[in-house]
Order: sequence, then structure tokens, then C-alpha cells
Amino acid sequence: DGGITQSPKYLFRKEGQNVTLSCEQNLNHDAMYWYRQDPGQGLRLIYYSQIVNDFQKGDIAEGYSVSREKKESFPLTVTSAQKNPTAFYLCASSKPGQGARNEQFFGPGTRLTVL
Amino acid sequence: DAKTTQPPSMDCAEGRAANLPCNHSTISGNEYVYWYRQIHSQGPQYIIHGLKNNETNEMASLIITEDRKSSTLILPHATLRDTAVYYCIVRVPYNAGNMLTFGGGTRLMVKP
Repeated sequence: DGGITQSPKYLFRKEGQNVTLSCEQNLNHDAMYWYRQDPGQGLRLIYYSQIVNDFQKGDIAEGYSVSREKKESFPLTVTSAQKNPTAFYLCASSKPGQGARNEQFFGPGTRLTVL
Repeated sequence: DAKTTQPPSMDCAEGRAANLPCNHSTISGNEYVYWYRQIHSQGPQYIIHGLKNNETNEMASLIITEDRKSSTLILPHATLRDTAVYYCIVRVPYNAGNMLTFGGGTRLMVKP
């Protein structure tokens, strides 16, 4: 089945450690996104990439880094510089040509807890 | 993108219609209204979108007022599986970065 996979579903790390969250899609979508969600809140955009080897900062990029070496993959690294990394992280993708629908497809998310 | 206002929570009886309101009084002429929903601990899911005409698909109906300052998402026969947070988003379809800006949404609880 086509879709977006994120692994792992739950991740625990010690404070001060960098951690990389995986996001893979087999939908052949050009654009990919990372969002962060805190309890009871909406999603906030961290980074996005509209094409391979190119990415842009979103609203809350500080303390995060990304790479886009392959169309299918958009890993997110949460660095030790991120002051409050414990959150629910969601990856999404979209493709052009949908007209105004311009739907974003979301993965199941990774819940990161920093101890 | 225009700001939206939604009630934080609503209840609905199973089998009845759920009507979720959204206020977007500052919407501009080229902005569409989109609805997504997020079931607990999952990623959001697209429901429907519209510009000024009412829209219907297999999931829901979207009613947009004539002045476009508000809209209502209608789930005609709510089921327990419709319990989720519903987000109303107003934006130009291809804004810079194609971002979706999520507010707090409405937490819909469908009760038996």
C-alpha cells in the first residue's frame, strides 16, 4: 500500500542527545513537511521541502535540522539545542497537480519523550 | 493566511448530524476553506475544501455563507469513529511552502 511511514512510534532519549526521526513515503510526492504538536495544541510547521536537495525553515525550526537527499525520505534531527523537544512529531507529503484540493497526507507520527 | 475561530469542544449523539462552525471573518477573495480532522494520536486527515459554493463528498458537507465570513462542516450521521479534533484552515491553495496553519480546532465527542 502507498503511504507515509514514520518510525519508531515511541522514542525515548536522554536530555542532551541528538535524535533522528525517520519519515519515508512511497507516494512519489515531491513535497514533504515536518510538524510538531504539543498536548492540546494544533500543529506547527518545523521544516518543509518542495524538492530533493532543497528545504526551508518553517515557523519553529530552531533546534532542528533536516536533509532531503532522496525523494522518498525526509529525516528530522532533534538536536540538543531544542529546549523542549518532548512532543508528537508528524511528517506529511503532498504532490502538485491536485488543484485547489492540495491535500497533505500525514504519517502516523512519532511521540518523542526526552528524559 | 486568514485566522479562524472554532469552539473548543462539541458533543453530538450517535446517528445525529454534527454541525461544526468556523468563523473566518478576515478571509480574502483567493483563500479557500479547508477542513482536516485528527483522530487521537494519529496524523490529520483531509475532509473537504471549498471556495464559495457549498461542497459535498463521501465524508461531509461544507456550507459557506454568502459573505464567506463563516462556514459549517456537517457530518450527516455521526458515528463513534467520528470522535476527533476538527481543524478549519483558511489559505491560498499554493501559499509559500504550501503550509497548513492549524489552530486549536474543535474537539468533537460523539456519544452513544
